[in-house]
Amino acid sequence: DIQMTQSPASLSASLGETVTIECRASEDIYSNLAWYQQKPGNSPQLLIYDANSLADGVPSRFSGSGSGTQYSLKINSLQSEDVASYFCQQYNNYHTFGAGTKLELK
Amino acid sequence: QVQLQQSGAELAKPGTSVKLSCKASGYTFTSYYIYWVKQRPGQGLEWIGYIHPGNGGTYYSEKFKGKATFTADTSSSTAYMLLGSLTPEDSAYYFCARPLITTFFDYWGQGVMVTVSS
Repeated sequence: DIQMTQSPASLSASLGETVTIECRASEDIYSNLAWYQQKPGNSPQLLIYDANSLADGVPSRFSGSGSGTQYSLKINSLQSEDVASYFCQQYNNYHTFGAGTKLELK
Repeated sequence: QVQLQQSGAELAKPGTSVKLSCKASGYTFTSYYIYWVKQRPGQGLEWIGYIHPGNGGTYYSEKFKGKATFTADTSSSTAYMLLGSLTPEDSAYYFCARPLITTFFDYWGQGVMVTVSS
């Protein structure tokens, strides 16, 4: 099974700041990676797919990058509505999710 | 628009079973897989498995074999997951989700909380 190691587990940042969340796969997943945002009490929402493609309706301050085993999600100019948990997911070989990153405002 | 509407919260006793539903609308039910995902409160997401309503084919991740059983009713566009032999470790939110083919999940149900307690 492919393991996904996500970091950091939690993150505190100020409004307007740029934040980066990372995921490392235990083997090459060929950019078959998605990022989700989950707000308390809600289901996850797709942000990024295929490592760097923005899902419909997602603000352009979100971006994804990476290849091979290393991937990252960047949020530019952090807004209050970005407070949430973020998860990566590989779909190269079935599915595995990262453990999540809880993003809070400083 | 695509919607996945899940059934309400469940409270069950250890050793019993619960059957969760996921009613799809806004797309051709038989053309897309339905996946089920588990999330314990405050924790990460676990993929349970999937069903293809078009042919009834199912797949279960190793951890959930024998625990979960998927079915689908094409007449009502509803997918079901039966969770059996419940233990407190089965207490969690359960989501249904629709992927693009078998890749990322572009639509999710609202989730249902299952609580297992005597």
